[in-house]
Amino acid sequence: DVKVTQSSRYLVKRTGEKVFLECVQDMDHENMFWYRQDPGLGLRLIYFSYDVKMKEKGDIPEGYSVSREKKERFSLILESASTNQTSMYLCASSTRTGGRASGMGDTQYFGPGTRLTVL
Amino acid sequence: EDKVVQSPLSLVVHEGDTVTLNCSYEVTNFRSLLWYKQEKKAPTFLFMLTSSGIEKKSGRLSSILDKKELFSILNITATQTGDSAVYLCAVHENKLVFGAGTILRVKS
Repeated sequence: DVKVTQSSRYLVKRTGEKVFLECVQDMDHENMFWYRQDPGLGLRLIYFSYDVKMKEKGDIPEGYSVSREKKERFSLILESASTNQTSMYLCASSTRTGGRASGMGDTQYFGPGTRLTVL
Repeated sequence: EDKVVQSPLSLVVHEGDTVTLNCSYEVTNFRSLLWYKQEKKAPTFLFMLTSSGIEKKSGRLSSILDKKELFSILNITATQTGDSAVYLCAVHENKLVFGAGTILRVKS
């Protein structure tokens, strides 16, 4: 059974704190993604990774960084949390179809999400 | 700029009603269109559509894609309270581009 897990369901942090969100998948997927989801805006891609130690910026990377040291784990880091980063954060993974140049795979499997509140 | 627009933004129906959710898109390099259902947590995959005019069906849910007019619909017949969720449409080019979602509430 497909499984993507995220380290916390709910997190409350203060402005300026460093925040780590962890995502682990057990499907041996090459691709992993971090999204944030806000009402009326849908899911927006922050960063993605198509291989260990590889990362690429998504649509809204500002204020975030990522780390992929192992294939199964993809971490999202907020170096200095701000109130506008209060959001639901969703991690996803997918297989690579036809290599990197072909795109990032089709069906993505999502984790349960982390609702982050920055005060 | 690539865009995926879903309508309506939300709707409330009674059990047993049929609903149609819409998704229109403008992307540069279309590969597929995906529908997800999101309840309280993670989006779960429903359908992937790549070809025009071929209906995908799963129980009371069905979906079809029109690549000429650049839209897809998701139909749910005989709705149940368990169908209450946010339905997300996403178009895959070199990444997934999501719409804002349609909030469906089914009242008993």
